[in-house]
Amino acid sequence: GAVVSQHPSWVICKSGTSVKIECRSLDFQATTMFWYRQFPKQSLMLMATSNEGSKATYEQGVEKDKFLINHASLTLSTLTVTSAHPEDSSFYICSARSWPGQGALYGYTFGSGTRLTVV
Amino acid sequence: EDKVVQSPLSLVVHEGDTVTLNCSYEVTNFRSLLWYKQEKKAPTFLFMLTSSGIEKKSGRLSSILDKKELSSILNITATQTGDSAIYLCAVIHGSSNTGKLIFGQGTTLQVKP
Repeated sequence: GAVVSQHPSWVICKSGTSVKIECRSLDFQATTMFWYRQFPKQSLMLMATSNEGSKATYEQGVEKDKFLINHASLTLSTLTVTSAHPEDSSFYICSARSWPGQGALYGYTFGSGTRLTVV
Repeated sequence: EDKVVQSPLSLVVHEGDTVTLNCSYEVTNFRSLLWYKQEKKAPTFLFMLTSSGIEKKSGRLSSILDKKELSSILNITATQTGDSAIYLCAVIHGSSNTGKLIFGQGTTLQVKP
């Protein structure tokens, strides 16, 4: 089955530093990647949509200069939280979408998530 | 504005009880509705519903979509403590090239022994 590998699974960083989160589709080509954040006991909030080789589309209210998304290949997308602050602490999850027939169950496969804590 | 609303937001039951979780939606270009179960990490897929009135079943879980009412329900019978989780409803909308998921707030289910 389709697998999306997300790293790191957790990270603690100091205020003001940048953190990069990677998502890789292991056995299919992810034409589109979605990045979500989730606060405790809340649902997933879509941050941005990225298509391979083009700029990401950010949802309203999400700062594109703070959350840099790169989708340079069909198997890798990265989210960089720049100049992180404690309010950026959250659970970040990626989801890869493939074209039908490439093995991803109904087209959306989630990574295992990254718990970011900014101190 | 597109939105997906789940109810109740939280629920506490005892083992053996039956629960019904609700999801209603208002989105443009609706394509499908999905149910996920989330424990500690990423959501795991439960059901995808595209056609109205056709029940999908998997063990003690079942779900059905009502496109007329713009809603779906997820039923869990004979609940077990392992069913404790957040249940998320999401709707796929948009074109086949750009379809994205909009999630509801989730229902937190706690099953007590």
